Amino acid sequence: DVKVTQSSRYLVKRTGEKVFLECVQDMDHENMFWYRQDPGLGLRLIYFSYDVKMKEKGDIPEGYSVSREKKERFSLILESASTNQTSMYLCASSPGTMRDTQYFGPGTRLTVL
Amino acid sequence: RKEVEQDPGPFNVPEGATVAFNCTYSNSASQSFFWYRQDCRKEPKLLMSVYSSGNEDGRFTAQLNRASQYISLLIRDSKLSDSATYLCVVRTSRYNQGGKLIFGQGTELSVKP
Repeated sequence: DVKVTQSSRYLVKRTGEKVFLECVQDMDHENMFWYRQDPGLGLRLIYFSYDVKMKEKGDIPEGYSVSREKKERFSLILESASTNQTSMYLCASSPGTMRDTQYFGPGTRLTVL
Repeated sequence: RKEVEQDPGPFNVPEGATVAFNCTYSNSASQSFFWYRQDCRKEPKLLMSVYSSGNEDGRFTAQLNRASQYISLLIRDSKLSDSATYLCVVRTSRYNQGGKLIFGQGTELSVKP
């Protein structure tokens, strides 16, 4: 079974703090993704990576950065957290062919006060 | 106009009912189509892929109409455990590696005894 894990299920941070969200997958997948999910807006892609040290902007990259130093790990960084970044953050991975589905981690519910 | 549109519901149905969800997508170059299921406070999980010829998995039937850019999911003999949000998902060819998934907002289903 594919397993995607995220470092925290719940996180509370203050405005202006630097926040790191970690994601690890154990299936040697090429592609990894970060989404945020908000009521009424669905899942929106923040960043994705199709190889180590490679990254591509998704639909809403502003205020975020990512790091992929190892194939199994994809980190999302909020350089200076703001209240509008309060959301559910979901990491996903996929093997890399066009027909492959994505496997999601359990999510991190981030609250920025 | 949203790239993937679904009726958000909620659909409230009795056990044993047949329920149908519809979804439209705007990008005619879309490559692959899926239905994901998301339980409350959980991550999305693949329910089934959708093929042009239509496909069935037990009580679930998915159909794709490329000409009308329309996807459907039919659930027969609804069970209480079917209560969840069903996400219509489309893969575009916009990115060169792995494609990009576009998620609909989801349709909420509540099956009552």
